[in-house]
Amino acid sequence: EADIYQTPRYLVIGTGKKITLECSQTMGHDKMYWYQQDPGMELHLIHYSYGVNSTEKGDLSSESTVSRIRTEHFPLTLESARPSHTSQYLCASSPSTDQPQHFGDGTRLSIL
Amino acid sequence: AQSVSQHNHHVILSEAASLELGCNYSYGGTVNLFWYVQYPGQHLQLLLKYFSGDPLVKGIKGFEAEFIKSKFSFNLRKPSVQWSDTAEYFCAVNAYDQGGKLIFGQGTELSVKP
Repeated sequence: EADIYQTPRYLVIGTGKKITLECSQTMGHDKMYWYQQDPGMELHLIHYSYGVNSTEKGDLSSESTVSRIRTEHFPLTLESARPSHTSQYLCASSPSTDQPQHFGDGTRLSIL
Repeated sequence: AQSVSQHNHHVILSEAASLELGCNYSYGGTVNLFWYVQYPGQHLQLLLKYFSGDPLVKGIKGFEAEFIKSKFSFNLRKPSVQWSDTAEYFCAVNAYDQGGKLIFGQGTELSVKP
């Protein structure tokens, strides 16, 4: 049973809309991560955070933004969605940088 | 740049067959190595990990993996697969100086025929 929760699980929405993908964890982990995964492809890190008020961009460039106002919450926002943003977005957390990451169920996002 | 390569995109086996999934990484420094599994409709779960010590690590559900430093490899094995092992398997690496960021391979889809 995952202690990291992502909502919505699926989202189909039109171009130009503002979207926020939610990610929450109840484990008190300082480190949180967002990955993007296209079908049949590897996960790419797009954002990470090492604690409250800390956010960094990952290895894959993304037009999304993130915030970390509370330890348990790490939302990802797209200001104006485009079809190129269609993908699966996975959130993860870990207690430290050298410990395994725990993953949420993901959000499958489709932009029409 | 760091990278992880999984040799097989899709593997099809019959039950009781032996499994070996290849994983190679490119990084010269100290690494932590992981195999994650994603069963259909479920989230990614940790299968096993290697941090240090015995290079042969055992994970859940009878899986094991061997770290061969000279070959930059971390292959996953299971002597006898079951239908319930049908899933996608991801190899991942994080380097000590990369701040915990995981680099994933592209995944191997395993289909086990009953």
